[in-house]
Amino acid sequence: EPEVTQTPSHQVTQMGQEVILRCVPISNHLYFYWYRQILGQKVEFLVSFYNNEISEKSEIFDDQFSVERPDGSNFTLKIRSTKLEDSAMYFCASKAEHPNQPQHFGDGTRLSIL
Amino acid sequence: DAKTTQPPSMDCAEGRAANLPCNHSTISGNEYVYWYRQIHSQGPQYIIHGLKNNETNEMASLIITEDRKSSTLILPHATLRDTAVYYCIVREYSGGGADGLTFGKGTHLIIQP
Repeated sequence: EPEVTQTPSHQVTQMGQEVILRCVPISNHLYFYWYRQILGQKVEFLVSFYNNEISEKSEIFDDQFSVERPDGSNFTLKIRSTKLEDSAMYFCASKAEHPNQPQHFGDGTRLSIL
Repeated sequence: DAKTTQPPSMDCAEGRAANLPCNHSTISGNEYVYWYRQIHSQGPQYIIHGLKNNETNEMASLIITEDRKSSTLILPHATLRDTAVYYCIVREYSGGGADGLTFGKGTHLIIQP
């Protein structure tokens, strides 16, 4: 069964550094999402992306964050000048075009900011 | 989106049916009910979704009351691997489907051997 894949599984970065998290969505999906989950807390929506542009973003998704679909298969989340509070699991998800189809999630990247 | 209410935790014996309730009394006519689960720190796993009819797939059954104000996810023969946090999410995908999901705290289902 097709699945969303994320790399790396664990990323350790010094505070203030930039980090790029990578995702390969399911191949025929057209909607892409990033979520994060701080340890012990709820899964939180960050941003959605469709037709090469951001469709919706939460208050968490400030100027520090950006997303990109650099080619036909990858979807990336960039965090500039990371902060300690950016430490979390980051999940990518994708969805087929039909409006009520479910989102499918990857297994996440654990981001640790030192 | 309509708010959902789930019990924080439930136990179920291995091999028995696990019935997880969800209350969504403010659901609107176009909102679907989605169920996901999260095993330890893995990504949320889609289980099933429905609008008003009962649904069944290889993982579970979803029973939605006639007034749509509540639903029950049924895992027919629970195994230890079904121990997870289960999320009930109500969502209408307006404008084509770009909207993010709002996760609550879910129900922590513990399958007892």
